[in-house]
Amino acid sequence: KAGVTQTPRYLIKTRGQQVTLSCSPISGHRSVSWYQQTPGQGLQFLFEYFSETQRNKGNFPGRFSGRQFSNSRSEMNVSTLELGDSALYLCASSLDVNSPLHFGNGTRLTVT
Amino acid sequence: AQSVTQLDSQVPVFEEAPVELRCNYSSSVSVYLFWYVQYPNQGLQLLLKYLSGSTLVESINGFEAEFNKSQTSFHLRKPSVHISDTAEYFCAVRGWTTAGNKLTFGGGTRVLVKP
Repeated sequence: KAGVTQTPRYLIKTRGQQVTLSCSPISGHRSVSWYQQTPGQGLQFLFEYFSETQRNKGNFPGRFSGRQFSNSRSEMNVSTLELGDSALYLCASSLDVNSPLHFGNGTRLTVT
Repeated sequence: AQSVTQLDSQVPVFEEAPVELRCNYSSSVSVYLFWYVQYPNQGLQLLLKYLSGSTLVESINGFEAEFNKSQTSFHLRKPSVHISDTAEYFCAVRGWTTAGNKLTFGGGTRVLVKP
């Protein structure tokens, strides 16, 4: 069974631009979560989706948004990029909201 | 609020020596507990989990963790480490909170296995 796939793997953007990251969950998984990982802040929860509905949201500004499609694939969008948005963005899927998370390899975003 | 504390940010250890990574959590509700491992340039991989039942859980590669409810701890141990165990390890807690059901991670512990 294929794992969680995140694209692209690396991304370089400039301040003020916007970016869209994509995540394909493990087949059959209906819950998708997003995390931001930085050396200073560690792993921080962004949001969680289940059956196309956002169930939970972390403490990030409105520039960070996401959505989930009917096939469970998910995208997250960051608008008006700032230098501090440089991070590894990890997507994780699970069968349901109480099952363990399975992570993708992440998208490393660099904002210059 | 839910929180996880990993007391050691880095743990150097010699090959074939034992290692213990400490994890304490805070939560006012029932929790599920997890250990994840992250190798360089990769995502997190589930190492082991405690959902219910026996408080001692084991992974297939020799790690074990014990859930101690009274001490709110979930320490990870391995009796003999290998060079390939060099990685960052994250303890995580999942429980119901006012903000819904989310996974909270500790700050991570970097394990460096020396020959």
